[in-house]
Amino acid sequence: EPEVTQTPSHQVTQMGQEVILRCVPISNHLYFYWYRQILGQKVEFLVSFYNNEISEKSEIFDDQFSVERPDGSNFTLKIRSTKLEDSAMYFCASSPTGTTEAFFGQGTRLTVV
Amino acid sequence: QKEVEQNSGPLSVPEGAIASLNCTYSDRGSQSFFWYRQYSGKSPELIMFIYSNGDKEDGRFTAQLNKASQYVSLLIRDSQPSDSATYLCAVRYSGAGSYQLTFGKGTKLSVIP
Repeated sequence: EPEVTQTPSHQVTQMGQEVILRCVPISNHLYFYWYRQILGQKVEFLVSFYNNEISEKSEIFDDQFSVERPDGSNFTLKIRSTKLEDSAMYFCASSPTGTTEAFFGQGTRLTVV
Repeated sequence: QKEVEQNSGPLSVPEGAIASLNCTYSDRGSQSFFWYRQYSGKSPELIMFIYSNGDKEDGRFTAQLNKASQYVSLLIRDSQPSDSATYLCAVRYSGAGSYQLTFGKGTKLSVIP
């Protein structure tokens, strides 16, 4: 069964460093998303991406964050100058259309020290 | 501000019983409703989605939607210990090009053998 894959599964970085989280969405899906979940809290929307551009972003997704689809398969989230409060699980998701169900990858646990 | 409310639990049911999970949402423009299961430290796994008022059944799971009351529920029949997890309700507004999911905090279900 097709699935969303994310790498790495766990990333430890020092405060102030840049990290890139990688995702391969399901191949025939057109909408891609990043969500995050701080430990013990709810899943929060960060950004959606369609047709090679950001279609929507939340207040969390400020200038520190950027997304890119560098080729036909990968979808990346870059976090510049990481802060302690960026420590969370980051989930990539994809859906066939904007109105259908979204499938989540297994997540990347980001720890900022 | 779109809100999704769930009782955090824990909800404990004996094995074989029916588990009933409830969710309310604030935005009447919400159009799509999803139930995800999340095991500790893992990603959300889609269980069911429902778009229209009424019931939708899939195996041991039944989703119920009442848009007038802004209420969606998930029934799990013949609960098994493997159903023990946190169940996340997610709502999609789908207005003005918005496709993000808004999640509740989740209800922790414990099925007692």
